[in-house]
Formats: sequence, structure tokens, C-alpha cells
Amino acid sequence: GQNIDQPTEMTATEGAIVQINCTYQTSGFNGLFWYQQHAGEAPTFLSYNVLDGLEEKGRFSSFLSRSKGYSYLLLKELQMKDSASYLCAVRHTGFQKLVFGTGTRLLVSP
Amino acid sequence: NAGVTQTPKFRILKIGQSMTLQCTQDMNHNYMYWYRQDPGMGLKLIYYSVGAGITDKGEVPNGYNVSRSTTEDFPLRLELAAPSQTSVYFCASSYEGTSIPQYFGPGTRLTVL
Repeated sequence: GQNIDQPTEMTATEGAIVQINCTYQTSGFNGLFWYQQHAGEAPTFLSYNVLDGLEEKGRFSSFLSRSKGYSYLLLKELQMKDSASYLCAVRHTGFQKLVFGTGTRLLVSP
Repeated sequence: NAGVTQTPKFRILKIGQSMTLQCTQDMNHNYMYWYRQDPGMGLKLIYYSVGAGITDKGEVPNGYNVSRSTTEDFPLRLELAAPSQTSVYFCASSYEGTSIPQYFGPGTRLTVL
């Protein structure tokens, strides 16, 4: 089975940097996804990691350590529009399915 | 491309009623999924399909049924609605491949009273 943990809520200030952590336990790991979900909307894909290290995409970066069962999403130069929930999802070996964490609600204040 | 579309956007059902949530994608994705999302909870997989004519259960399939007669459509059927099925339902689709993300529809907000 799989167990995924994320903080429930985080707050940050516009212009700052925030790191959202995700830890997972799985009997077979085959990739980790981060999605952004604004209130009342559908999740949208942000990033994918399958190898250890940092993947950078503009203001957003995602890091993975497979040995530690750990990932983080780093958001730089925060903007008000970054207020949303951030969902960590793990893909199990041999399956196309994703298992989602409960998400981290980020509130960016002026 | 419209992507993944879902109808209806909102629906209120009485206990014991039935309904079908529609999902269509125009990206020629072979994989399609149905999730439910309850407040403060993650997305839970209800059913998924790897191609027309092939469906399988996810984590929470009880009380639901699906069919996949075409590549584009993946309807979700609720029989004998119960208050526990009050949720937001998301349909998603993807190509096959471990690094391929899923693309989500806008969701259907269902209330069972």
C-alpha cells in the first residue's frame, strides 16, 4: 500500500519563498507528481520526478529523494495567485494509477 | 481542443435516486479515470479504464459503475444514491506512460439529500 503525508496548511507572504514537503511510503515507487488546485477548480499538473534531484520550471521547482521517501515543491517569488492547494501524488510500480496525498493549502498574503 | 469535459457541473439528488455523470475527452487518450474528492481529503480513485471495453476498480468503487464503449467517453453511474456519495467528482485522462500526467475535467459537484 501507499501512505502519503503533507502539511495541511501553510501561509507565506507575497514575494517570499515557500517549501511544501511530501513524504511517502510505498512498496514500489514509479514517480511522483505535483498538482496545483485552486478552490473550486480541477487539479492542474505542475511537475514530475522519478529520479533523485531537482527539477526546475520557472518559479516552481520540485525535489525528490527516493531513499528518504521525500519530495518538496519550492515556490519562489510568491504571487497572490499562488494561493491554492498543492497535491502530491505517487505512482506505484507497474500501475498507471496515482495515489494522492490530502494536499497542502497555501495562503499567500500581501 | 476542449480537453476533458464533464456534465453536469452541479446536481442535487434525493436518497435512492440514480444518475450518470458524463465525461468526454478529445485528446485521444487511452487511459481515463474517475475520482471523488471530499473536503479536506485527497482524490480517491473510483474506477479507471485503459481503453475501450476495459475497466477496473480503484480504491472506492462501491456504489458506482462505469462503462467505456468508446475512446472518448467514460460515464460514471450512481445507483441508489446515498448521502455518503456527496462529493466533487473529477474525471481525468492520460496517455499511457509512467511520466505522463493526468489531465482533469472541471468536476461535478454532487449533493445527495
